[in-house]
Amino acid sequence: TQLLEQSPQFLSIQEGENLTVYCNSSSVFSSLQWYRQEPGEGPVLLVTVVTGGEVKKLKRLTFQFGDARKDSSLHITAAQPGDTGLYLCAGDPNDYKLSFGAGTTVTVRA
Amino acid sequence: NAGVTQTPKFQVLKTGQSMTLQCAQDMNHNSMYWYRQDPGMGLRLIYYSASEGTTDKGEVPNGYNVSRLNKREFSLRLESAAPSQTSVYFCASSEIRMVSNQPQHFGDGTRLSIL
Repeated sequence: TQLLEQSPQFLSIQEGENLTVYCNSSSVFSSLQWYRQEPGEGPVLLVTVVTGGEVKKLKRLTFQFGDARKDSSLHITAAQPGDTGLYLCAGDPNDYKLSFGAGTTVTVRA
Repeated sequence: NAGVTQTPKFQVLKTGQSMTLQCAQDMNHNSMYWYRQDPGMGLRLIYYSASEGTTDKGEVPNGYNVSRLNKREFSLRLESAAPSQTSVYFCASSEIRMVSNQPQHFGDGTRLSIL
């Protein structure tokens, strides 16, 4: 059983559409991180959310941390083919080791 | 900027063979990690080294050993490879062990197949 559950597992959309990826847990996290991984490469950190209810924007990407600090979402506006990749959420449930979700594979078709 | 460098990038082994995966970072980070990534399971921590001279087990340590050779290098050894160890292995580093707010920097992975 994954500590962090991500949904959906796969998402395929047309260029210009919007999408949302979810990361949920029954545990409380002091912070959550979002990474993007492209084929043949390692994950790269996109953002860290720390405060319950926090919203962070990174160009067309909007990240939200739930009020109870148990969940997070990633929303992409007007997706582009360059957004294609595996999106991973990760958090530390206070044992000083990062736990990762299984990821959401996003494909944006031109 | 090299960041985290892993060697080799690809490897095929026969069951029972041994090998060592190498990892080096040039960011002067204190903490280093080894993960494996399997389809549908995300990244799972094998071993980590909070600081030079220390190593600890992660979520899936069985069948593996590690060595923190110095502050820069952290190697992962498979003593007797098994098909269940077929995976993509990632090394990562972070400035300090306290993971909250600390980004991890990943290498590009070693793709290991065991026949």
